Amino acid sequence: QVQLQESGPGLVKPSETLSLTCSVSIDSFKRHYLNWIRQSPGRGLEWIGFIYNSGNTNYNPSLKSRVTISVDTSKNQFSLRLTSVSDADTAVYYCASGPGWTPHHWGQGTLLTVSS
Amino acid sequence: EIVLTQSPGTLSLSPGERVTLSCRASQSVGGNYLAWFQQKPGQAPRLLVDDGSSRATGIPDRFSGSGSGTDFTLTIDRLESEDFAMYYCGQFANSPLTFGQGTRLEIK
Repeated sequence: QVQLQESGPGLVKPSETLSLTCSVSIDSFKRHYLNWIRQSPGRGLEWIGFIYNSGNTNYNPSLKSRVTISVDTSKNQFSLRLTSVSDADTAVYYCASGPGWTPHHWGQGTLLTVSS
Repeated sequence: EIVLTQSPGTLSLSPGERVTLSCRASQSVGGNYLAWFQQKPGQAPRLLVDDGSSRATGIPDRFSGSGSGTDFTLTIDRLESEDFAMYYCGQFANSPLTFGQGTRLEIK
């Protein structure tokens, strides 16, 4: 059974940096595409990016200048770093994984609010 | 970027009925890498169908996907009460990966 669990601060101030972590319990962690996806009423479901093969990344061009996804294989975790956040970054953030580009397994999501 | 347009926005149906949801892409989805997801309030999306027509593990056979190129459909036979939810399509052929805006399936 594949399980993913997001963790993060819940609240971030405008212009600061958001950091989220996803803990993954799958044997094939290293061979999966590990995604971050967010959802908000205004933007719907928005793919942020993924990391695979322990270091190769692919980011949404709309966020690429502010996003870094990294992985810690020793802890079966991967992380999202989003700089210079604004109100538009308020959303539920999901981590998701799959053997290919399609995310098969999703975490429960974590709400991130940007507010001063 | 491939834009996915889902229709209709909302459907009101009764249990036992059959429903077809539409997802149209702004350009051809290579390899039919089009998936369907179900989402209930307060929950994450759940994968129903991958690669246009392959049911995901544990998904009942009343769910079926079809289509190719730019036009895809999700059909649900014999609606059950737990099927009333939001449904999203997503394309995973081209980066950036994109999702449709969703169809809400509600009980009539």
